[in-house]
Amino acid sequence: TQLLEQSPQFLSIQEGENLTVYCNSSSVFSSLQWYRQEPGEGPVLLVTVVTGGEVKKLKRLTFQFGDARKDSSLHITAAQPGDTGLYLCAGGPWDDYKLSFGAGTTVTVRA
Amino acid sequence: GAGVSQSPSNKVTEKGKDVELRCDPISGHTALYWYRQSLGQGLEFLIYFQGNSAPDKSGLPSDRFSAERTGGSVSTLTIQRTQQEDSAVYLCASSHQDRGYTFGSGTRLTVV
Repeated sequence: TQLLEQSPQFLSIQEGENLTVYCNSSSVFSSLQWYRQEPGEGPVLLVTVVTGGEVKKLKRLTFQFGDARKDSSLHITAAQPGDTGLYLCAGGPWDDYKLSFGAGTTVTVRA
Repeated sequence: GAGVSQSPSNKVTEKGKDVELRCDPISGHTALYWYRQSLGQGLEFLIYFQGNSAPDKSGLPSDRFSAERTGGSVSTLTIQRTQQEDSAVYLCASSHQDRGYTFGSGTRLTVV
């Protein structure tokens, strides 16, 4: 059983469309991170959110941490083929140092 | 180094053989983590090092798995008597002061 549930598992969209990926848990986290992984590479950190209700924007990517610190979302505006990859959310429990990862969302942006 | 380096990048081994996977973390990063990634399963925690000590080995799947870290730097993950279910990508990450992880590119292990 995954501590963090990501949805959808797969997402295929046309270039220029918007997309949202969700990360949900029954546990409360001190922080939540989003990573993107490309084939043959390790995950790369995109953002860390630490405050309930926090919204962070990185160019076309918007990250939100839920008020209750149990969920997060990643929204991509006007997706580009370069956004293709596996998106992973990871939660840092209050009493632990190691991150728990979701199973990931595979995003494919078609040109 | 500038990033986390893992070697080999690919390893094919016969069932029953031992393998060693190496991780060279970012200089100065005291925390080092090993994760295993299987298709559709997400990242599975294996072991955590703080300096040279491993306060949490709870993720190691069996006693065939062991890891060490020397000089607060390089870590080696050893799998003895490999089984086909050990096939996966083994990822190493390092971090500093509760910041996000920096991952290596991983070692893809295939047991035939």
